[in-house]
Amino acid sequence: DTEVTQTPKHLVMGMTNKKSLKCEQHMGHRAMYWYKQKAKKPPELMFVYSYEKLSINESVPSRFSPECPNSSLLNLHLHALQPEDSALYLCASSQPSGGEQFFGPGTRLTVL
Amino acid sequence: AQSVTQLDSQVPVFEEAPVELRCNYSSSVSVYLFWYVQYPNQGLQLLLKYLSGSTLVESINGFEAEFNKSQTSFHLRKPSVHISDTAEYFCAVRRPSASKIIFGSGTRLSIRP
Repeated sequence: DTEVTQTPKHLVMGMTNKKSLKCEQHMGHRAMYWYKQKAKKPPELMFVYSYEKLSINESVPSRFSPECPNSSLLNLHLHALQPEDSALYLCASSQPSGGEQFFGPGTRLTVL
Repeated sequence: AQSVTQLDSQVPVFEEAPVELRCNYSSSVSVYLFWYVQYPNQGLQLLLKYLSGSTLVESINGFEAEFNKSQTSFHLRKPSVHISDTAEYFCAVRRPSASKIIFGSGTRLSIRP
C-alpha cells in the first residue's frame, strides 16, 4: 500500500468554527508532514512529525494545531481561521531521513 | 542551505513535440533530487528521483531526468508529450539526513493539440 489518504476532500468553514483535517498512511513511515499550498505556488511546509513527536514547526500560527495520535495518523485541528488560510492542505509521509515523500490528494479548505 | 530554481514558470508545447523543463539547485552538500507532478485539483505525485548511482533516471510514463553535478542541474525531458501531461511540475531537493524537502517554484506545462 503506497497511498496516503486525506479527509475530507473539501471543507468550508466560518471563522468561528472548529474543524479537523485527517491524514492516514500504512507504509510504515515514521515521518509525517503538513503542507499548505496556495494556487500556482509550491507547497509550504507547516509541520513535521518524526517518530510521533513534533520536530519542525515552521512558525505556524497557533490557530493551526497538529496532532499525531500514532504512527499512521496525523491530524490538523483548525480554530478561528482567517480567509487568507483558504488553501489546499497536503499531508505527506516518508522515512525520517532520506528518500521521497508520498503525498495525499489534499483537502481544499475555504474559510468564509 | 539548499535552494532550487526552476527557470521557466510556464512552458507551452504542441502535442507530440519534445519538452525540457529546467531545474538548477544550489547546495554545499550532496542532495537527493526529485521531480513531482501535480495534475489539476490533485496532490503531488513523485515522477522520478535521483538518490545515487546512474545519473540518468527514467519514469514509467516516458519522462527522464539527468543529474549533472558540475552544472548543478536536474532537467526533466520527454521526447514526445501528450495532452495528459498537462500539469504543474515541481523540482525538489533534500539532504539525505534531513526531513525537510525544498521545492522549486514550479513549471506549468501546457500542451496544445
